[in-house]
Amino acid sequence: DGGITQSPKYLFRKEGQNVTLSCEQNLNHDAMYWYRQDPGQGLRLIYYSQIVNDFQKGDIAEGYSVSREKKESFPLTVTSAQKNPTAFYLCASSISPTSNYEQYFGPGTRLTVT
Amino acid sequence: GDSVTQMEGPVTLSEEACLTINCTYTATGYPSLFWYVQYPGEGLQLLLKATKADDKGSNKGFEATYRKETTSFHLEKGSVQVSDSAVYFCALSEGSGGYQKVTFGTGTKLQVIP
Repeated sequence: DGGITQSPKYLFRKEGQNVTLSCEQNLNHDAMYWYRQDPGQGLRLIYYSQIVNDFQKGDIAEGYSVSREKKESFPLTVTSAQKNPTAFYLCASSISPTSNYEQYFGPGTRLTVT
Repeated sequence: GDSVTQMEGPVTLSEEACLTINCTYTATGYPSLFWYVQYPGEGLQLLLKATKADDKGSNKGFEATYRKETTSFHLEKGSVQVSDSAVYFCALSEGSGGYQKVTFGTGTKLQVIP
């Protein structure tokens, strides 16, 4: 079955540690996205990538980093510089980075930093 | 900038009641409009979409019409079921600098009671 996988589903880290969230898709989509979801705030865009080896900052990129070395993979690193990292993180992809196409979402990773 | 406003929840309905979740938007161009649904602890799934004015999107008994004159995309269902309990997100997608910028509303939680 085609889709997007995110792992792990739950992640716990101590403050000051970097952590990497995995996102893999087998839909052959060009574009991939990372969002952060907080209660009552909808989804906010962290980073996006339109093509391999290219990515751009979204609205809240500070304290995060990404890479896009393969078409199917778009890992997100939450660094110790992120002031409030506890959140639900969603990865998404779309066929093309144009406005008519819907985004397909992974199941999400809930990160808790204490 | 673009924005999406949807009615605050939670919305509580009895099974078989009619549902309307209001969504209005502001955009600079001609966006595509989407409704996504999120079940507890999961990612978002596309429910329906409309890509131009007067288009009606429909799926699983839900429908929404793209109304350019009122900048609205209200979600409706004639008879809700307990299984429809979820959070519903209205979103718009517009091309911006060569990429698809998606703006999400804050979500409306629907609870259907037997």
